Amino acid sequence: AQSVTQLGSHVSVSEGALVLLRCNYSSSVPPYLFWYVQYPNQGLQLLLKYTSAATLVKGINGFEAEFKKSETSFHLTKPSAHMSDAAEYFCAAYTNTGNQFYFGTGTSLTVIP
Amino acid sequence: ETGVTQSPTHLIKTRGQQVTLRCSSQSGHNTVSWYQQALGQGPQFIFQYYREEENGRGNFPPRFSGLQFPNYSSELNVNALELDDSALYLCASSPSADEDTQYFGPGTRLTVL
Repeated sequence: AQSVTQLGSHVSVSEGALVLLRCNYSSSVPPYLFWYVQYPNQGLQLLLKYTSAATLVKGINGFEAEFKKSETSFHLTKPSAHMSDAAEYFCAAYTNTGNQFYFGTGTSLTVIP
Repeated sequence: ETGVTQSPTHLIKTRGQQVTLRCSSQSGHNTVSWYQQALGQGPQFIFQYYREEENGRGNFPPRFSGLQFPNYSSELNVNALELDDSALYLCASSPSADEDTQYFGPGTRLTVL
């Protein structure tokens, strides 16, 4: 079965600093990979997705992620953090087997003014 | 805006009761998936419905059941509620069962006392 690991349940960065949220997946066959953001008391909003096209994927709100097959990673980055980026971020993998998503446990991002 | 709506937004039940949660998928989407998100955790896949048939199921007991209607809206039913069923229940729709991108609703917060 697929699994997704997010390293660091809490990440704090200063406003304007680089954001790096880590995600690793476990599969010999690269799945489709996603990053979602969740604001308090809301559902999940898609930031970006990787579907075997370009390995560097650009998403909304200035976020991007790079797929590295050799490292089975799909880390999320943003060059300059904004206060509005404070939220919970989830990495997810989708496989056609079972037609289901596997989510990581999430990383809470705090942006310090 | 995702277009996926869920009702109710909040619900309080007591142990042993039954609950029905509802989801209206985004226009044009024929696939609905349900997730359970416990506090501080990532969403866990419950099951998926495609054109009124169950199309995949996660590791949840049979007391979690669902329906999808001809208009592709969906219900999640949970019987014999347990305290651990307290969670945010998320519904997500996608244009088809082969479509990897899911669009999430805001969720229903269920509290079991």
